[in-house]
Amino acid sequence: NAGVTQTPKFRILKIGQSMTLQCTQDMNHNYMYWYRQDPGMGLKLIYYSVGAGITDKGEVPNGYNVSRSTTEDFPLRLELAAPSQTSVYFCASRPLTGNQPQHFGDGTRLSIL
Amino acid sequence: GIQVEQSPPDLILQEGANSTLRCNFSDSVNNLQWFHQNPWGQLINLFYIPSGTKQNGRLSATTVATERYSLLYISSSQTTDSGVYFCAVGITSYDKVIFGPGTSLSVIP
Repeated sequence: NAGVTQTPKFRILKIGQSMTLQCTQDMNHNYMYWYRQDPGMGLKLIYYSVGAGITDKGEVPNGYNVSRSTTEDFPLRLELAAPSQTSVYFCASRPLTGNQPQHFGDGTRLSIL
Repeated sequence: GIQVEQSPPDLILQEGANSTLRCNFSDSVNNLQWFHQNPWGQLINLFYIPSGTKQNGRLSATTVATERYSLLYISSSQTTDSGVYFCAVGITSYDKVIFGPGTSLSVIP
């Protein structure tokens, strides 16, 4: 059971480039989330999804897009990378029912130069 | 929007000491979680605790939802407890989660 898997683990982008951060979970969780964590700070919610085909904005959605075509996958897209998007990105998932915690991936460290 | 505060922001403990970390939130929440971020950046869920008290080994947590705070108690601290402790509150039925700024804990031998 792999849990929440994020790829890549590290990436360096040039300003203006685009890329997709991948997140997949094998626990059949309905809820999935994307966060960013800037150095020395807490996590900020970018987007979340309550199930396939349903997404919604979090606290800091500008500059990002998401899609949820399957229960397992929740990719995060950066269209025009900017230095302000340099951060560590975490994906998380949670089951629909019960008092269950979020499960986090190991993060993607992204630098925009 | 809801405000989540944590105190203290930084804490240095001698190995074996006890500590209490606090999380205050400004509005009603559906749930609350405590996480530990280890020095390698991994986030580990410690407790899912919308109310009441839970214990897991040397760690325990109490949430008083009516008074809008939660406490994380660490007893007999070990160097492996070092890292940042976050509380995170769920503010909708869809569990839209907002994180606090964290408490950075260093346990020295």
